[in-house]
Amino acid sequence: AQSVTQLGSHVSVSEGALVLLRCNYSSSVPPYLFWYVQYPNQGLQLLLKYTTGATLVKGINGFEAEFKKSETSFHLTKPSAHMSDAAEYFCAVSDGGSSASKIIFGSGTRLSIRP
Amino acid sequence: NAGVMQNPRHLVRRRGQEARLRCSPMKGHSHVYWYRQLPEEGLKFMVYLQKENIIDESGMPKERFSAEFPKEGPSILRIQQVVRGDSAAYFCASSPLVGDTEAFFGQGTRLTVV
Repeated sequence: AQSVTQLGSHVSVSEGALVLLRCNYSSSVPPYLFWYVQYPNQGLQLLLKYTTGATLVKGINGFEAEFKKSETSFHLTKPSAHMSDAAEYFCAVSDGGSSASKIIFGSGTRLSIRP
Repeated sequence: NAGVMQNPRHLVRRRGQEARLRCSPMKGHSHVYWYRQLPEEGLKFMVYLQKENIIDESGMPKERFSAEFPKEGPSILRIQQVVRGDSAAYFCASSPLVGDTEAFFGQGTRLTVV
């Protein structure tokens, strides 16, 4: 069975500061990993994904994440926070190649940006 | 290419009534997922469907909840005899291939049971 743990339900950083949102996963097969963002009263939008290949993946809005198999982590970072980054962020995992794959989500991290 | 369309966006039901939530996947997508988001919580997987088939319903409550994805028309999530605890945002997502790409999400249906 797969699972995702997001450390910290709420993270607050100053505008211009580094953003670090933590995600650890559990999977019995090579995972596919995702980060989604949810703005208030909206659906989820994909930020980035890892399937195979390069372990550092770059996404939209200046975000990136690194797949570290030894640490079973997929932390999301952005060098300099912007006010528009305030949102809920979800890490997710799927087992990719299974004929019955489903995406399992973490509980989310709410990112607040201080002026 | 229109995105995933969910309707209604907001639905109010009295306790004991039925709620029907509709999801039209993106054009060319034959895989549909339903998720539930309770207030202040993350997304919980409910059910995964392909056309005319339920592939995985391990997240569906045992009673009152059902889902279908007919050959023609949208996917329907049906909740019978709603209770206050069913109040949540219900999100539908679709994908063209299993696991090889991300799922595209609709904007959700916010169900309020009064």
